[in-house]
Amino acid sequence: AQSVTQPDIHITVSEGASLELRCNYSYGATPYLFWYVQSPGQGLQLLLKYFSGDTLVQGIKGFEAEFKRSQSSFNLRKPSVHWSDAAEYFCAVGYSGGGADGLTFGKGTHLIIQP
Amino acid sequence: DAGVIQSPRHEVTEMGQEVTLRCKPISGHNSLFWYRQTMMRGLELLIYFNNNVPIDDSGMPEDRFSAKMPNASFSTLKIQPSEPRDSAVYFCASTHSRQGPETQYFGPGTRLLVL
Repeated sequence: AQSVTQPDIHITVSEGASLELRCNYSYGATPYLFWYVQSPGQGLQLLLKYFSGDTLVQGIKGFEAEFKRSQSSFNLRKPSVHWSDAAEYFCAVGYSGGGADGLTFGKGTHLIIQP
Repeated sequence: DAGVIQSPRHEVTEMGQEVTLRCKPISGHNSLFWYRQTMMRGLELLIYFNNNVPIDDSGMPEDRFSAKMPNASFSTLKIQPSEPRDSAVYFCASTHSRQGPETQYFGPGTRLLVL
């Protein structure tokens, strides 16, 4: 069975500082990977995704993530955070087979931005 | 274009009552997913449909939960009878199922409180 681990429940970063949120997955086949962001009381917004090809993917709002197969990781990064980045971040993994299948989510990382 | 639409956005009910949550997927999407989000368990897939047919309902917690998709533009998730432990945020997501992975787009969620 596939699983996703986000080891950091909370992360506090100063505004303007760099950010890295960790995500590790466990899955036997080629995964496809997502990062979603959830603001308080809101739904999930897709930040970026990896299906194949270049292992460094760019997303919205200045975020990027790097797929490292050898480490089973898909960490999310941003060079300089803004106060508006405070939110809950979820890493998710899906099947690489045909059709659409349900996603398995990590438990999330709550990002706090200090002024 | 309208995104995934869910109603109601908030629902407060008493234990034992029937609750019906509604979802309208993005037009043209043929796969629909129901997820539940709780503090304890995070985001969990409950059930998903391809072309209006339920494919995997292994995440449905109990027989009290049922889901239907009578046509391509509408789905319901029903809880009967409801219990306090069903309190959660319920998300609907949709995508267009093709060969290979696709991005799921999430609705704003229904926040359910069972007293």
